Amino acid sequence: GAGVSQTPSNKVTEKGKYVELRCDPISGHTALYWYRQSLGQGPEFLIYFQGTGAADDSGLPNDRFFAVRPEGSVSTLKIQRTERGDSAVYLCASSLTPAGGPSTDTQYFGPGTRLTVL
Amino acid sequence: GENVEQHPSTLSVQEGDSAVIKCTYSDSASNYFPWYKQELGKGPQLIIDIRSNVGEKKDQRIAVTLNKTAKHFSLHITETQPEDSAVYFCAASGPTGNQFYFGTGTSLTVIP
Repeated sequence: GAGVSQTPSNKVTEKGKYVELRCDPISGHTALYWYRQSLGQGPEFLIYFQGTGAADDSGLPNDRFFAVRPEGSVSTLKIQRTERGDSAVYLCASSLTPAGGPSTDTQYFGPGTRLTVL
Repeated sequence: GENVEQHPSTLSVQEGDSAVIKCTYSDSASNYFPWYKQELGKGPQLIIDIRSNVGEKKDQRIAVTLNKTAKHFSLHITETQPEDSAVYFCAASGPTGNQFYFGTGTSLTVIP
């Protein structure tokens, strides 16, 4: 595809509900990242996939957050029992090859999903 | 973990003037430093990046400098235009390289 796409663009839910956020990376990109951006802040890392596996999930705040990438392309971020503090913009990024070492690759970001928990 | 600080938080310049945004980082193992521009309601867009084996990189009106010893890097925008108005984020790669640590952003306003 032309770029990283994310759906929905906006999601409003009630406290305690379950939500799923979807990310379609750039075609051919093996690495996929999820970040969370609160108002007035920079993006904060959540999880990184290399292919189908979660290579680094150290940024997930607690066990209510989970992400999958079953076929190594599309990824879904899942949030259980949402809390008002989960309200933020959730950003997805992808890169051609795994970042790291002397040739860290550029991460291309999608437009984000704005999640509002009432 | 890595800690990235960014200054100033807001910056207003007259059209045609230069703008400079500065960032510091804490982890000497970081080796990749991208700069992103974010417009309202959109995701961050890469505008320039620099790797730790070079000290300066330029792309038309945009340049980035890196001082590894002092652990700081800066974004320079010359001949600013109103369309440069946006929030700019610096970032540094983490020790494993697979995540970026972002600064808190600089809101740049270019006054026509």
